[in-house]
Amino acid sequence: AQKITQTQPGMFVQEKEAVTLDCTYDTSDPSYGLFWYKQPSSGEMIFLIYQGSYDQQNATEGRYSLNFQKARKSANLVISASQLGDSAMYFCAMRDGNSGGYQKVTFGTGTKLQVIP
Amino acid sequence: EPEVTQTPSHQVTQMGQEVILRCVPISNHLYFYWYRQILGQKVEFLVSFYNNEISEKSEIFDDQFSVERPDGSNFTLKIRSTKLEDSAMYFCASSKTPGQTNEKLFFGSGTQLSVL
Repeated sequence: AQKITQTQPGMFVQEKEAVTLDCTYDTSDPSYGLFWYKQPSSGEMIFLIYQGSYDQQNATEGRYSLNFQKARKSANLVISASQLGDSAMYFCAMRDGNSGGYQKVTFGTGTKLQVIP
Repeated sequence: EPEVTQTPSHQVTQMGQEVILRCVPISNHLYFYWYRQILGQKVEFLVSFYNNEISEKSEIFDDQFSVERPDGSNFTLKIRSTKLEDSAMYFCASSKTPGQTNEKLFFGSGTQLSVL
């Protein structure tokens, strides 16, 4: 069963606008962690933001925030004031205990974001 | 800032040949991983490694794959007899401690493997 679902293969956003990248997840474990990674065209995987299942507040890191809706099992990434350098592939990922002791991080299929000048 | 290093950045090999992909995880990290990404697609888990043994592996990680930590600093992925479909970007990753949901993965810059 697909554990992480990213339904937007590609997104466009105008420079300086905000954009939301969708992510839904599925787990039966009450304890889990959600991550977003950015992969620019150069290929490296860059950690952006983390949200724990027990965190009371939505995570924020600079221009990145995570819209965490636990009951809906969604963890959408919001990028405010988009910049040209935000053009990249974005992956949502989850670590839960169902894989055996929180060892494995499972990734979604990614969303390719293009920022338009 | 400490980083995970991978060598080589690109590897070209003939089908049926053995390849070894090398990684140096961050020095105080205890958990090591290999992931692969076929061009532009999903990042797929291959294997996790802790305390000198495989802790979990995916269905992709069949008998042609093996991992090793030969000398306390390097972490290697060996593909015994490469197939065309093994062509992908292979990422090594490490994390500090096992068993915690907030342990993020630190990724290397990847090795692009091309099997001809």
